[in-house]
Amino acid sequence: EAGVTQFPSHSVIEKGQTVTLRCDPISGHDNLYWYRRVMGKEIKFLLHFVKESKQDESGMPNNRFLAERTGGTYSTLKVQPAELEDSGVYFCASSHRASGRPNEQYFGPGTRLTVT
Amino acid sequence: AQSVAQPEDQVNVAEGNPLTVKCTYSVSGNPYLFWYVQYPNRGLQFLLKYITGDNLVKGSYGFEAEFNKSQTSFHLKKPSALVSDSALYFCAVNTGFQKLVFGTGTRLLVSP
Repeated sequence: EAGVTQFPSHSVIEKGQTVTLRCDPISGHDNLYWYRRVMGKEIKFLLHFVKESKQDESGMPNNRFLAERTGGTYSTLKVQPAELEDSGVYFCASSHRASGRPNEQYFGPGTRLTVT
Repeated sequence: AQSVAQPEDQVNVAEGNPLTVKCTYSVSGNPYLFWYVQYPNRGLQFLLKYITGDNLVKGSYGFEAEFNKSQTSFHLKKPSALVSDSALYFCAVNTGFQKLVFGTGTRLLVSP
């Protein structure tokens, strides 16, 4: 079974530019999550999709971040315009639909974003 | 609010010795606790979880964790460390609303 994949693995952009990150979850996983780790700090939750619906977007930093999951398969996270503080590693994770108790989440390798 | 603390930035241990990576948590309801490991240039890999039941949970690669409700701890352990265990370890709690809340991570360095 293929794991969670993310593209690109690295991205270096200038302040003010736009970047789009992509995540392909494990096939059949309804839940898809985005997290971010800023250098040296904890991994922080950004948002959670159940199929194509946003279940929780409480971690999105501001309206420069837009996440989509059209068709309930892959997801994109767009940052427009990028700022210096957006630099970090963006992780995507997926899991089976939960039935009362949380399932483990399977993570992708991450996208390292550097804004200069 | 839910939170996780990993008090050690780094743990050093000699190969063959037992290792412990500490984690304490704070939750308002039932704790659902997880350990993940990140090897260089890789994503987070699931090691083990505590949902309910036995306080000693066994996971991948010979790791285990002990849930202690009175001390609100979920320390990761392994009886005999390997050099290949050197990595970054994250403790996390699931809030029940599916999102994970992570600690800051502990770097484990196993010396030959």
